[in-house]
Amino acid sequence: EAQVTQNPRYLITVTGKKLTVTCSQNMNHEYMSWYRQDPGLGLRQIYYSMNVEVTDKGDVPEGYKVSRKEKRNFPLILESPSPNQTSLYFCASSPVSSNQPQHFGDGTRLSIL
Amino acid sequence: DAKTTQPPSMDCAEGRAANLPCNHSTISGNEYVYWYRQIHSQGPQYIIHGLKNNETNEMASLIITEDRKSSTLILPHATLRDTAVYYCIVLTDSWGKFQFGAGTQVVVTP
Repeated sequence: EAQVTQNPRYLITVTGKKLTVTCSQNMNHEYMSWYRQDPGLGLRQIYYSMNVEVTDKGDVPEGYKVSRKEKRNFPLILESPSPNQTSLYFCASSPVSSNQPQHFGDGTRLSIL
Repeated sequence: DAKTTQPPSMDCAEGRAANLPCNHSTISGNEYVYWYRQIHSQGPQYIIHGLKNNETNEMASLIITEDRKSSTLILPHATLRDTAVYYCIVLTDSWGKFQFGAGTQVVVTP
């Protein structure tokens, strides 16, 4: 089954403790992207990747890192999480670019205390 | 800056057609109009997209005006499961960046 898988689905952690949210897709898609969703602010793009070893900033990249060492994986790294990064996070992929239908994961709900 | 304008909410009776408008008056010639929806807090779901011509798939129809400054998403027979936030998106110049707007909260009632 074609899917985008995020882990963990839920995480409660404390300020400053490094964490990684993994994202994996099994569709051989070149494009992957991370979004966060907050009440009143909607969905905002954090980072995206057009291909392996190619990443670029979205609208809200501060406090996040990403890497794209393999086509299927696009982890989101919070080196020193802070409470303002408490949010619902979505990973997405598409065959080539944002200009094609994106497939989204089920989301990761992060709470930073 | 938002490139699309949608009504914040609308109601629709179950079984009736739902017509969701979107204004994109600054759209340029090579920009597509995309529609996604998000049911509660699930991941957004792609619905349909188009450039100039009207499009139809198993989920919906997309009607784009001749001047391309507005479009309408049509859900032909709305069901309760169609209750969701619907996003109309015109892509930015970059093929990597992607911006959702505020969307339209559609509530389908029995």
